[in-house]
Amino acid sequence: AQKVTQAQTEISVVEKEDVTLDCVYETRDTTYYLFWYKQPPSGELVFLIRRNSFDEQNEISGRYSWNFQKSTSSFNFTITASQVVDSAVYFCALTRTDSWGKLQFGAGTQVVVTP
Amino acid sequence: DGGITQSPKYLFRKEGQNVTLSCEQNLNHDAMYWYRQDPGQGLRLIYYSQIVNDFQKGDIAEGYSVSREKKESFPLTVTSAQKNPTAFYLCASSTSGTGTKNIQYFGAGTRLSVL
Repeated sequence: AQKVTQAQTEISVVEKEDVTLDCVYETRDTTYYLFWYKQPPSGELVFLIRRNSFDEQNEISGRYSWNFQKSTSSFNFTITASQVVDSAVYFCALTRTDSWGKLQFGAGTQVVVTP
Repeated sequence: DGGITQSPKYLFRKEGQNVTLSCEQNLNHDAMYWYRQDPGQGLRLIYYSQIVNDFQKGDIAEGYSVSREKKESFPLTVTSAQKNPTAFYLCASSTSGTGTKNIQYFGAGTRLSVL
């Protein structure tokens, strides 16, 4: 069965510091997709990125960057120069083999950015 | 603007009462999902529907029921059989097809509490 582990429950940083969120996954599939979502205090999950298991290139989008390493089954997320607006819960997710389109979510990491 | 609308934002249930959470989308998505979020546990799938008039149980379907009579609507009923209904409920939708890569988009959620 698939499993997604986000070992960090909460990370607190001061504004402008970098923060890295860890995500480790388990799957027997050779083809799968990984996702990151952001949940601000308002509650709605916001899609950030989708990564194909065949594409191990790192990706950068503004202050966000993602490091996908298939060898270690990790898909880590870094926020550079954090801002107060980055305060949220961040979820890593993995597509599930057992059924079409379903996602297996990690428990989430709460990021708190203080001024 | 296209999106997913959940209502109400807050809902209170009395003992022995059934309550229905609304989810409407205007994204023309075929697939819709219901998740339950408890503190520290991430999101767990309750029910999902790939197409109108069809739906499948997720991981924690007991005590819940759904219907999918229209493409844009996927209401969730929390029945009296659900003994611990207090949680945050999120609805999502995605495009169809060979869907393991499809991105799920989320509503703002409904917070259900027991009186």
